Amino acid sequence: KAGVTQTPRYLIKTRGQQVTLSCSPISGHRSVSWYQQTPGQGLQFLFEYFSETQRNKGNFPGRFSGRQFSNSRSEMNVSTLELGDSALYLCASSLSSATNEKLFFGSGTQLSVL
Amino acid sequence: GENVEQHPSTLSVQEGDSAVIKCTYSDSASNYFPWYKQELGKGPQLIIDIRSNVGEKKDQRIAVTLNKTAKHFSLHITETQPEDSAVYFCAASRGGGFKTIFGAGTRLFVKA
Repeated sequence: KAGVTQTPRYLIKTRGQQVTLSCSPISGHRSVSWYQQTPGQGLQFLFEYFSETQRNKGNFPGRFSGRQFSNSRSEMNVSTLELGDSALYLCASSLSSATNEKLFFGSGTQLSVL
Repeated sequence: GENVEQHPSTLSVQEGDSAVIKCTYSDSASNYFPWYKQELGKGPQLIIDIRSNVGEKKDQRIAVTLNKTAKHFSLHITETQPEDSAVYFCAASRGGGFKTIFGAGTRLFVKA
């Protein structure tokens, strides 16, 4: 069974631009969570989707948005990029958002904002 | 807010020695405790997990213990090998990504 796939692997953007990242979960998984990983802040929760609905959102500005499609694939978008948005963006999938559900991570998208 | 404290932040051991990483959580409703290993250029990989109704779980060279009363859980790696070198994250969860809180990570170096 294929794992979680994130594209692209690397992105270089300049301040003010916008970016869209993609995540394909493990087949059969309906829940997708997004995290921002930086050396100083660790893994910070961005949002969680289940059956095309955003279930939860972390403490990030409105420039960060996402969506989930009927096939469970998810995208996140960051508009008006800032230098501080440089990070590894990780997607994790699980069967559902129920208790004890294992999270499986993709390899991430490394975003550099210049 | 809820948090997970993880210690140490860096750990260096000789090949063959044991390594222990400790975590403390604050949310008493947490009932699932996974551990992840992250190698350079890769996403975190689940290596072992434990549920709140179990005190200890072992998988080959890796074991995890949980003390619910103290809100404390630990990862034990025995007979360490150079390929164990990575960053390890603990987490405490009430379910799903939103309710999963990660520790800050421990960078483990295993010297050959």
